[in-house]
Amino acid sequence: KAGVTQTPRYLIKTRGQQVTLSCSPISGHRSVSWYQQTPGQGLQFLFEYFSETQRNKGNFPGRFSGRQFSNSRSEMNVSTLELGDSALYLCASSSRTSGNVGELFFGEGSRLTVL
Amino acid sequence: TQLLEQSPQFLSIQEGENLTVYCNSSSVFSSLQWYRQEPGEGPVLLVTVVTGGEVKKLKRLTFQFGDARKDSSLHITAAQPGDTGLYLCAGVSGNTGKLIFGQGTTLQVKP
Repeated sequence: KAGVTQTPRYLIKTRGQQVTLSCSPISGHRSVSWYQQTPGQGLQFLFEYFSETQRNKGNFPGRFSGRQFSNSRSEMNVSTLELGDSALYLCASSSRTSGNVGELFFGEGSRLTVL
Repeated sequence: TQLLEQSPQFLSIQEGENLTVYCNSSSVFSSLQWYRQEPGEGPVLLVTVVTGGEVKKLKRLTFQFGDARKDSSLHITAAQPGDTGLYLCAGVSGNTGKLIFGQGTTLQVKP
């Protein structure tokens, strides 16, 4: 069973640009969550999608957005990039439908560097 | 805002030593998970504890959930270099279903 796949693995952008990251969950998983990981702040929850609907949202500005497609693949977008957006962006899928979060299966992440 | 504080943040020990990592909060969580993350990879779930006072063992790793479901600990016996990595605790908010992560404990076990 293939794991969670994130693309691209590494990317470099400059301030003001935008970026789109992609995540393909484990087959059959309908819940996809996104996290930002930085040395200073640790892992911070961005949002969760389930069946193409945003089910939960973290405390990030509106520049961070996401969506989920009918095949459960998800994308997140960051517009007007700032230096502080440099981070490892992790996607996690789960077989969770409701209730407890269950086990999250993480991808290897997309490392974004903003210059 | 629910927060999880992990301590210590960094730990460097010799092979064969024992260690304990703590995860504390002033909030109650419906369950708590421990993950391990190695460089260049995403976190991998080690265990989920659900019941207050619960103790789970995974080979040389022992996980405990506090009676009040506000804290947890991870104890490693006779640490090995393969235990090196970032250990993360994560609490599940009963209200929102969100998973809230602690800052992590970086463990280095020297041979």
